[in-house]
Amino acid sequence: DTAVSQTPKYLVTQMGNDKSIKCEQNLGHDTMYWYKQDSKKFLKIMFSYNNKELIINETVPNRFSPKSPDKAHLNLHINSLELGDSAVYFCASSRRQGASSGANVLTFGAGSRLTVL
Amino acid sequence: AQSVAQPEDQVNVAEGNPLTVKCTYSVSGNPYLFWYVQYPNRGLQFLLKYITGDNLVKGSYGFEAEFNKSQTSFHLKKPSALVSDSALYFCAVRPISSGSARQLTFGSGTQLTVLP
Repeated sequence: DTAVSQTPKYLVTQMGNDKSIKCEQNLGHDTMYWYKQDSKKFLKIMFSYNNKELIINETVPNRFSPKSPDKAHLNLHINSLELGDSAVYFCASSRRQGASSGANVLTFGAGSRLTVL
Repeated sequence: AQSVAQPEDQVNVAEGNPLTVKCTYSVSGNPYLFWYVQYPNRGLQFLLKYITGDNLVKGSYGFEAEFNKSQTSFHLKKPSALVSDSALYFCAVRPISSGSARQLTFGSGTQLTVLP
C-alpha cells in the first residue's frame, strides 16, 4: 500500500484553467504539507495542515487554495493557472509537530507534475 | 530565519570511492538536521537525521553524516559509493526551539553521480 498517494501524477493544462491535485496518506499522521519543486529542483513549502487546521501558509498567491476534509487528506486547488505554476508538487505527511516532535520525519508522495501551456 | 546551503550542485565520484556531499546551515539555537534522497521521478525519501548526542549519525544504505556545531555543518558521507547511489540529495534543518520558524527548510540539492 502506498503511504502517501497523489493524483494525478501528470497534469497538462492551458493557462487560465482551474485544476486540483489530491493527496491521501494512510500512515495515521496528522500533519500534511504541500511543497513545490521548480525546474531547478529547489523545494519550497507552500502549506501545512495539522488536524485539518492550517498552520503554515507561506507567501503563495491566493490562486492556490488548500483544503483538508480530514486529517488523512490534503487537496490543492489552483485557480487561473499561469505558466509559472509549472512545477512538480509534492504532498508529504508527518506526526504532529509539538515541542518535542520537531525531529519527526516527513514521508513524501511521488509528486504531481503540472505543466501549464 | 533558518537556511541551508549545499555549495555543490553536482558531485561526481567513481564507484568504490568514498563520497561526501556538503551541507552547512544557519539557525537560531540548536538544530534538527536531516538528509533526504530523491531518485528520478520519485518523492523524497528519508536517509538520516541528527537530533542530539553522538555527532556521527548512521542512516540507510550505508550513509552517515557528521554534525559539526562549530562549523555549522552536516556533511553526508559514504565509505564506498555504488552506482545505485546516483540521485539528488537534500539537506534540511529545523530549529529545536519552539516558535513560528518550525517548518523544515531544505537546501537546493546536490546531484550525485557515481561513475562505474
